[in-house]
Amino acid sequence: SAVISQKPSRDICQRGTSLTIQCQVDSQVTMMFWYRQQPGQSLTLIATANQGSEATYESGFVIDKFPISRPNLTFSTLTVSNMSPEDSSIYLCSVAPTGLITDTQYFGPGTRLTVL
Amino acid sequence: AQKVTQAQTEISVVEKEDVTLDCVYETRDTTYYLFWYKQPPSGELVFLIRRNSFDEQNEISGRYSWNFQKSTSSFNFTITASQVVDSAVYFCALSGALGNDMRFGAGTRLTVKP
Repeated sequence: SAVISQKPSRDICQRGTSLTIQCQVDSQVTMMFWYRQQPGQSLTLIATANQGSEATYESGFVIDKFPISRPNLTFSTLTVSNMSPEDSSIYLCSVAPTGLITDTQYFGPGTRLTVL
Repeated sequence: AQKVTQAQTEISVVEKEDVTLDCVYETRDTTYYLFWYKQPPSGELVFLIRRNSFDEQNEISGRYSWNFQKSTSSFNFTITASQVVDSAVYFCALSGALGNDMRFGAGTRLTVKP
């Protein structure tokens, strides 16, 4: 398994601003993933972030709204840009230690975002 | 397309009762992977089990057991002698052979009352 931390754990933001969420892993991993969990809902994959390449976004998510950085094998950031109340969600990062999404994914504790 | 259905939105049981959480999946892949995760009130997702499509053997881990039936495309999860600490939202998830399309079910909220 892997130990994953996220910062911030929660935040309250104003409409129109941006927030960058950090995800730190205690070991080097090839693949990292970002998910969104809207209130009372299931998880939806936003994008896959591999070190050294552009993130791959799922349908309905675009880079301008959710830019992702992956500067090294233990760290990634997700920015939620130009926020609106509809962006209020829990954002989770996960990793697949073996480098395959078909492997078990381990999740961070999540960042609870509220947009006013 | 991958799809996971957890028809039970909420289940409430009394401590020590057995409870089964249903999961039905759809996929066109012959190779795929099924998962169960637990999300307690703290919000963190806890991995419970991973199963590949070629392994239909049922699994037991303490009070937890999983019944994988390819014939009915189901991967059900049973908690025996439930405890209050089992109260959480449980998610079933499916990943295909290409590994780029992880799908989660809607989740089942389990409440175990003392």
